[in-house]
Amino acid sequence: GQQLNQSPQSMFIQEGEDVSMNCTSSSIFNTWLWYKQDPGEGPVLLIALYKAGELTSNGRLTAQFGITRKDSFLNISASIPSDVGIYFCAGHGGNQFYFGTGTSLTVIP
Amino acid sequence: EAGVAQSPRYKIIEKRQSVAFWCNPISGHATLYWYQQILGQGPKLLIQFQNNGVVDDSQLPKDRFSAERLKGVDSTLKIQPAKLEDSAVYLCASSWGSGSNYGYTFGSGTRLTVV
Repeated sequence: GQQLNQSPQSMFIQEGEDVSMNCTSSSIFNTWLWYKQDPGEGPVLLIALYKAGELTSNGRLTAQFGITRKDSFLNISASIPSDVGIYFCAGHGGNQFYFGTGTSLTVIP
Repeated sequence: EAGVAQSPRYKIIEKRQSVAFWCNPISGHATLYWYQQILGQGPKLLIQFQNNGVVDDSQLPKDRFSAERLKGVDSTLKIQPAKLEDSAVYLCASSWGSGSNYGYTFGSGTRLTVV
């Protein structure tokens, strides 16, 4: 199955810093989702994007659906310790979602 | 609303043994998915059901994996016999929405260790 290219693979940041991660695909998608996964838990939906160019916020999180429909990014502003986890993007093409390889975020207090 | 329920949370078995996982999706969600997530990777789709019918099982290793959703509600995923490389988290998800607006809700997963 198709895997999306997600970067960076891991990030170590100081509390209070902003974070940016992105996801790219060789295929066009009509939906992008961003999930956060804590250890031992299933992914939890953060933001859903349905239109090219769409910019959506959820608290300190902001995500955008790229104009080309082949990419998306997620920003986290003013990071806090509980932002620690693995962030996955997912793009919908055909009749299923394809997941990125994940970005592991560590926030240093 | 109750989330996607999965059981057991953890399972340790020896290779060549059999194992089964159970999933109860969110009420009213017609589409149910089973994913395999190997450590350090994103989830990989194994099988997708629409009600009690299979939509996509192209990545399901059918020689050892099977899944059913007989009444279009809860579902079971079975591995028989298990191999070491089957060690992973098995995630169940159900999807909501219609038209162009939809997404997934995942369960907490079953962590399988094959020794």
